[in-house]
Amino acid sequence: AQKITQTQPGMFVQEKEAVTLDCTYDTSDPSYGLFWYKQPSSGEMIFLIYQGSYDQQNATEGRYSLNFQKARKSANLVISASQLGDSAMYFCAMREGPIYNFNKFYFGSGTKLNVKP
Amino acid sequence: GAVVSQHPSRVICKSGTSVKIECRSLDFQATTMFWYRQFPKQSLMLMATSNEGSKATYEQGVEKDKFLINHASLTLSTLTVTSAHPEDSSFYICSAKSGRSPDEQFFGPGTRLTVL
Repeated sequence: AQKITQTQPGMFVQEKEAVTLDCTYDTSDPSYGLFWYKQPSSGEMIFLIYQGSYDQQNATEGRYSLNFQKARKSANLVISASQLGDSAMYFCAMREGPIYNFNKFYFGSGTKLNVKP
Repeated sequence: GAVVSQHPSRVICKSGTSVKIECRSLDFQATTMFWYRQFPKQSLMLMATSNEGSKATYEQGVEKDKFLINHASLTLSTLTVTSAHPEDSSFYICSAKSGRSPDEQFFGPGTRLTVL
């Protein structure tokens, strides 16, 4: 089974509107972390936001927020007030296992976001 | 802080030659570094996990004799693609795990390898 599933290969959003990128995950480990990364055409991976499995509140970082629904095993990324510079690939990732004893991340297949002017 | 560099950023080589890619953590000590491979329009695929001073752990299907990994110090890991072939052309990305923020990995800018 896929550890991380991103079902939207491509998304369009109008500039200044909000957009939600979907991510579901699969793990039986009670300790895990969820990440979102942005990858522009230059290729660099840019960290956006993090949610720990024990965090009580949804993570927020500026225009980014993570809609964490633990029972549904979903960790959707919400980008508010989209900007043209938000056009990029977005990857959801999971660290499985305790913070100090994990050995790999799992990445989803990515969602290509296009922001229209 | 937590900057990871990769060198070279882009390399073109002839089939049959070997290519070394360096991954450095510039302002922190990285006990663990990861090497990923990314084909166009695809996700990152973990190739191996590199721990300082020990042998790398390779993912299933990754040939360890072809992709040699050396993590000789807490700030440097190298990936050598031996006897490269056109199918090895890809984007290679390293990341490093910091002891200060162990839950996160910091990515290098990537190396685009083209084998002619």
